Amino acid sequence: KQEVTQIPAALSVPEGENLVLNCSFTDSAIYNLQWFRQDPGKGLTSLLLIQSSQREQTSGRLNASLDKSSGRSTLYIAASQSGDSATYLCAVRSDTDKLIFGTGTRLQVFP
Amino acid sequence: DAGVIQSPRHEVTEMGQEVTLRCKPISGHNSLFWYRQTMMRGLELLIYFNNNVPIDDSGMPEDRFSAKMPNASFSTLKIQPSEPRDSAVYFCASSLLGFGTEAFFGQGTRLTVV
Repeated sequence: KQEVTQIPAALSVPEGENLVLNCSFTDSAIYNLQWFRQDPGKGLTSLLLIQSSQREQTSGRLNASLDKSSGRSTLYIAASQSGDSATYLCAVRSDTDKLIFGTGTRLQVFP
Repeated sequence: DAGVIQSPRHEVTEMGQEVTLRCKPISGHNSLFWYRQTMMRGLELLIYFNNNVPIDDSGMPEDRFSAKMPNASFSTLKIQPSEPRDSAVYFCASSLLGFGTEAFFGQGTRLTVV
């Protein structure tokens, strides 16, 4: 059974810092991994999608990497801003076609 | 496209009442997922459909929960009878069929059972 874990559970940093969020999964037989952002009381917004054959994807200040063999992905946020404050979730899609979510990292960026 | 549309956005109901949540997936998408989110358990997959056919409902917590997808543009999640522990945010997501595709989520329905 696929299990997805995110570390840390919460993170508080000052604006301007570069930071890394971690996601690990137990079954490396995945098809893709997706990073989402969730603001309080809102839905999930897709940030980046990495296919299993890819090593990384970039969008603006965000860079996500994938090491399928070790069951890990990282989301790198450069020059963090207060508007980045949200919960970040990773999800993996396996051969069962299910999208299994991690527990999330709650990020607070203070001015 | 307006994205995945869920209704209602908020629902407050009394214990024992029937609750129906609705979802309209993105046009052309043929996979649809229902999730439940709580503080204690995070995001849990309840059921998903491919081409309107339920593929895996192992996440449905009890027989009180049922889901249907009568056509490609509409799905419902029904709880009958509802209980206070069903209080959560219910999300619907859709994607194109295929393992490499991106999933898109609706804004969710916040259900409160009193």
